[in-house]
Amino acid sequence: TQLLEQSPQFLSIQEGENLTVYCNSSSVFSSLQWYRQEPGEGPVLLVTVVTGGEVKKLKRLTFQFGDARKDSSLHITAAQPGDTGLYLCAGAWQESSASKIIFGSGTRLSIRP
Amino acid sequence: DTEVTQTPKHLVMGMTNKKSLKCEQHMGHRAMYWYKQKAKKPPELMFVYSYEKLSINESVPSRFSPECPNSSLLNLHLHALQPEDSALYLCASSHRGQGGRNTQYFGPGTRLTVL
Repeated sequence: TQLLEQSPQFLSIQEGENLTVYCNSSSVFSSLQWYRQEPGEGPVLLVTVVTGGEVKKLKRLTFQFGDARKDSSLHITAAQPGDTGLYLCAGAWQESSASKIIFGSGTRLSIRP
Repeated sequence: DTEVTQTPKHLVMGMTNKKSLKCEQHMGHRAMYWYKQKAKKPPELMFVYSYEKLSINESVPSRFSPECPNSSLLNLHLHALQPEDSALYLCASSHRGQGGRNTQYFGPGTRLTVL
């Protein structure tokens, strides 16, 4: 059974501060996605990381995939109120003839002006 | 274009009603998925279709009946639902294959309320 632990569950910080969200598993994933989800909407893909040790940057967001492809982190620099939302990591693997993903429990981020 | 569309956006139905949720994608993806998401929880997988054939059923009750008429469309037929089935229903699609090719793209969801 695949499990993906995400932390912290909640984070409230001041505008301009930095933060890091973590996803950890004992399982190896073929890829890992980070999504952002607004209330009542579907998750929107931020990034996919595939290679162990891979680092991807999206403006002020930096995503890293662990060397063993079991864990990942999302770092936000100089957080802004527009970053407020629910962030979900999702580990992917192949099962039967399709890809399956397991979501972390999510991090609800609140950036105070 | 990485768009997955879902209709309707909102649906209210009684426990004796029959309704259908629809999902469409034109990215050439041959895997399509239905998820159920309750408030403050991550999405949970219900069904996976691969090349228009049901590949995975995560022990979903028979009152939910999926259908994949062609490679672009995915339906979820609902009958005799219970109030606890009220949730956000999400559709997703992906290429088959390993690595980044199995990234799933989600639709905006259908908010279902069962009275």
